Amino acid sequence: QKEVEQDPGPLSVPEGAIVSLNCTYSNSAFQYFMWYRQYSRKGPELLMYTYSSGNKEDGRFTAQVDKSSKYISLFIRDSQPSDSATYLCAMSDGPSSASKIIFGSGTRLSIRP
Amino acid sequence: DAGVTQSPTHLIKTRGQQVTLRCSPKSGHDTVSWYQQALGQGPQFIFQYYEEEERQRGNFPDRFSGHQFPNYSSELNVNALLLGDSALYLCASSLPGTGKNEQYFGPGTRLTVT
Repeated sequence: QKEVEQDPGPLSVPEGAIVSLNCTYSNSAFQYFMWYRQYSRKGPELLMYTYSSGNKEDGRFTAQVDKSSKYISLFIRDSQPSDSATYLCAMSDGPSSASKIIFGSGTRLSIRP
Repeated sequence: DAGVTQSPTHLIKTRGQQVTLRCSPKSGHDTVSWYQQALGQGPQFIFQYYEEEERQRGNFPDRFSGHQFPNYSSELNVNALLLGDSALYLCASSLPGTGKNEQYFGPGTRLTVT
């Protein structure tokens, strides 16, 4: 079993819709949770960084962590065609740069104009 | 401020050959991590360099080795290339002392092994 599971999609929604992306994980030591966005032929770009359980909002993006269920989500409100990309969840057991980051396999998202 | 840069952009090698990939971290970053991203997969951690030493390593064979220079730039070397080594190789650098493990990625080097 992989440490981090993520539905690969593809997920296609109309412009303006609310998008929900999810990951589950098995390692209870994970404390720090991230979402990266990766456009085609580019490196991943950090979108959201959260610690432990709870919600964090940044503009149209909301990250949600439920440690009791080992489940994390990313919500995108008022989705735009420019949001079309692959979204990677990632997590680590420590805050410092010395901690290894484990990535999900990514969900490919397409926003239809 | 230049972000993380990697060279070359693309590379085609033959099975059994050796390859060297290069990375320059974001200005002010002292830690460099290397990842392998196969098509349709998330990045897999190869190893991390800090103060010119390998600090952590993922589940990759010894054919994968690296180096960090005094200016914090880094190289990834892969010996005895296999077809399965074909992937996007990503370099990421980290900002020290923030208490956050935020990694900034370069655009990657796409390696094709034939």
